[in-house]
Amino acid sequence: DGGITQSPKYLFRKEGQNVTLSCEQNLNHDAMYWYRQDPGQGLRLIYYSQIVNDFQKGDIAEGYSVSREKKESFPLTVTSAQKNPTAFYLCASSSRDTISGNTIYFGEGSWLTVV
Amino acid sequence: AQSVTQLGSHVSVSEGALVLLRCNYSSSVPPYLFWYVQYPNQGLQLLLKYTSAATLVKGINGFEAEFKKSETSFHLTKPSAHMSDAAEYFCAASGSARQLTFGSGTQLTVLP
Repeated sequence: DGGITQSPKYLFRKEGQNVTLSCEQNLNHDAMYWYRQDPGQGLRLIYYSQIVNDFQKGDIAEGYSVSREKKESFPLTVTSAQKNPTAFYLCASSSRDTISGNTIYFGEGSWLTVV
Repeated sequence: AQSVTQLGSHVSVSEGALVLLRCNYSSSVPPYLFWYVQYPNQGLQLLLKYTSAATLVKGINGFEAEFKKSETSFHLTKPSAHMSDAAEYFCAASGSARQLTFGSGTQLTVLP
């Protein structure tokens, strides 16, 4: 079945460590996105990519990094510079960018907790 | 900048009662509008989407939403709530930006 796979589902990070969240899609979508979700704050865009080897900062990119070397993959690295990384992270994709009303589809999410 | 406002962070209804979740948007261009549902510890699922073809949009699970340009609203309704409708609901909009803008969400509780 086509879809978006995020891994791991749960991840624990020690202070000062970088961690990488994986996101893979087999929908043949050009655009991919990373959102962060905190209780009561909705979804906030971290980074998005409209095409391979290109990505743009979203509203809260500080302390995060991404790469888009392959169309189907868009990993997110949470660096030690991110001071409050505990959150639910959602990866998403769409066939093209949303300017023409294309639907965004979401993965199942990854929980990151700092210990 | 585009914004989406969901009135009421928590809504409770009795099983069988009408569900009404409110969403207002601000946009300088005609937007595309979406409603998503999120169950605990899961991603978001698309309920329905407005793309200007019709002002009343029917979605999955018996939900529908009406686009009212004069009121800049896109409220979500369901005639009769079911226990399985308990979840968080997000309204989202896209327009001139190349990504969706989400509201802060409404947690729906269905009482037996």
